[in-house]
Amino acid sequence: SQQGEEDPQALSIQEGENATMNCSYKTSINNLQWYRQNSGRGLVHLILIRSNEREKHSGRLRVTLDTSKKSSSLLITASRAADTASYFCATAPLSGSARQLTFGSGTQLTVLP
Amino acid sequence: GAGVSQSPRYKVTKRGQDVALRCDPISGHVSLYWYRQALGQGPEFLTYFNYEAQQDKSGLPNDRFSAERPEGSISTLTIQRTEQRDSAMYRCASSFGRDTQYFGPGTRLTVL
Repeated sequence: SQQGEEDPQALSIQEGENATMNCSYKTSINNLQWYRQNSGRGLVHLILIRSNEREKHSGRLRVTLDTSKKSSSLLITASRAADTASYFCATAPLSGSARQLTFGSGTQLTVLP
Repeated sequence: GAGVSQSPRYKVTKRGQDVALRCDPISGHVSLYWYRQALGQGPEFLTYFNYEAQQDKSGLPNDRFSAERPEGSISTLTIQRTEQRDSAMYRCASSFGRDTQYFGPGTRLTVL
């Protein structure tokens, strides 16, 4: 089952603009990860944020996590055409030996040149 | 260094045939995971291993699906008596601990 729900489902912006994607989830988590998937290609790990962190940066990426609201956001600044892809959030469970990631349905980002 | 590799990249089979999908994780990674991804959706968990031990197989849809990792490295996902609904992208990932999972390119399975 899909735990994460990304919002919006699709986003189209001009090159140079910022893109913001949101993710909501249902259960307590150990960490939350964002992945990118280019059309027909593999999943590339972008960034991981732990449940005790609130914000994290990596290059043009900024991720926030609000565990009280069970939500996260991914901001891509100064977008480029090469950022066109599907973006997925994935949560890792808090408890026990379970380690599987639970993915949302993704946000399809299109960056127009 | 080499990432996660999967073979074959594409597999077309007829309904009722058995298929075996292979995953070669990143060297030294303890954990190995199998996911299935339908078109337009995120991956869904199937099963995972720590070393050679299958820790969780709760995501396997039925008993036609099985997986093994006999020496704690390469893993094989086997689907017996394939059905058209098994058509999907099958993805393997590996990790050293609880954190980042690195995904392979996937095997696109088509059951005719």
